[in-house]
Amino acid sequence: DTEVTQTPKHLVMGMTNKKSLKCEQHMGHRAMYWYKQKAKKPPELMFVYSYEKLSINESVPSRFSPECPNSSLLNLHLHALQPEDSALYLCASSQGSTDPKETQYFGPGTRLLVL
Amino acid sequence: AQRVTQPEKLLSVFKGAPVELKCNYSYSGSPELFWYVQYSRQRLQLLLRHISRESIKGFTADLNKGETSFHLKKPFAQEEDSAMYYCALLGRRGANSKLTFGKGITLSVRP
Repeated sequence: DTEVTQTPKHLVMGMTNKKSLKCEQHMGHRAMYWYKQKAKKPPELMFVYSYEKLSINESVPSRFSPECPNSSLLNLHLHALQPEDSALYLCASSQGSTDPKETQYFGPGTRLLVL
Repeated sequence: AQRVTQPEKLLSVFKGAPVELKCNYSYSGSPELFWYVQYSRQRLQLLLRHISRESIKGFTADLNKGETSFHLKKPFAQEEDSAMYYCALLGRRGANSKLTFGKGITLSVRP
C-alpha cells in the first residue's frame, strides 16, 4: 500500500457540531502532517507528528485538535468551527528521518464546509 | 525564515511550446526543493525533487544556488500538463522539518 487515504471525502457541519477527520497510511512512515488548503491557495501546515508525538503546531486554534493513536493513523478533531474554516484539509506522511531525500506524500483531502 | 516565491499566477502556452515555471527561494540553510503538481480533481503529488536530479514526464529542474532559483522546465508542453504547480522548500527545525509552498502557478496548455 503506497497511498495516504483520508475519510470522509466531503463533510458539511454546523458551527456547534463535533466531527473528526481521519488519515491512514501503511507505508511505515513515522511523520504525519495536517495541512489546510483554501481554494486556489497553497497548502498551509497546521500540525506535524513525529513518531506519534506532536512536534509542530503552527499556532492553530484550539477548535482543531489533532490525535495520533498509532503510527499509521492521524485524526483531526473538529469542534465549534467557524465558516472561515471551510477548506480542503490535507494529510501527508513521510519517512520521518532527517534524510534529505525525505518526501511528503499527500492524501486526496477532505473537503470541509462549515455552515 | 524560509520563503518560496512563484512570481506568476498563470502561464498559458500552446501544445508543443517550451515551458518554464519560475521559483525562487529564501533560506539560510542548505535548501531541499521540490515541485508538486495538482491535476484537476486529483491529489497533490510530487513531480520531482532537486536532490534526485531526475526528469519526470519530460520536466526538469536545476537548483541554482547563486540565483536561489529552482525553475521547472519542459521543452515541449502537452495538453495533459495542464495543472497547478507548486514549488516547495523543505526547511529543518531541529529534528523536525517543515515544507513551505509557493503560491502556485496554473499551467494551461492549449491545443
